[in-house]
Amino acid sequence: SAVISQKPSRDICQRGTSLTIQCQVDSQVTMMFWYRQQPGQSLTLIATANQGSEATYESGFVIDKFPISRPNLTFSTLTVSNMSPEDSSIYLCSVVSDSTDTQYFGPGTRLTVL
Amino acid sequence: QKEVEQNSGPLSVPEGAIASLNCTYSDRVSQSFFWYRQYSGKSPELIMSIYSNGDKEDGRFTAQLNKASQYVSLLIRDSQPSDSATYLCAVNGFSGGYNKLIFGAGTRLAVHP
Repeated sequence: SAVISQKPSRDICQRGTSLTIQCQVDSQVTMMFWYRQQPGQSLTLIATANQGSEATYESGFVIDKFPISRPNLTFSTLTVSNMSPEDSSIYLCSVVSDSTDTQYFGPGTRLTVL
Repeated sequence: QKEVEQNSGPLSVPEGAIASLNCTYSDRVSQSFFWYRQYSGKSPELIMSIYSNGDKEDGRFTAQLNKASQYVSLLIRDSQPSDSATYLCAVNGFSGGYNKLIFGAGTRLAVHP
């Protein structure tokens, strides 16, 4: 299995500011994903982040609002820009193990926007 | 039509009973199927994967797959209060140039003593 860490684990931010969430994996993985999970809801895929290429965003998510970096095979960042209270959610990093083809999730970042 | 459908529940079962969780999917070419467990305030945790028609058992968990009916289920035998969680069904799909998992909305399971 892949061990995934995220920073920060939680944050409270002011409207109009930006927050960058870091995701670190203990092994090299090709495919990384960023999800959002709002209270009581299921997972919503924001984007797929593969090293060496631009992130691919799902419908309803745009790069200006959620810029993503993927500088190498073990690390990615997601920025939530110009935040509003509607961005309050848990943001989850997820990877697919190259060896087992199984998808694993990080512990999540709980974001509250005031 | 949602791509992966689950009954949202809550499904309430007594301790020691069998809990049966069901999931249907719309993409006939899907080949990989997963069940994740998510405790409140935690991230999803993979508990079962299944790729072939039939049953796959792992301890108290049995996953069942019927590709002809586009149906996958999870049985939990001897349910314990610690099994109380939301169970997410996930099915692989290919879109936007990538193979990715499509998640159902989840079924909330409550096991009462």
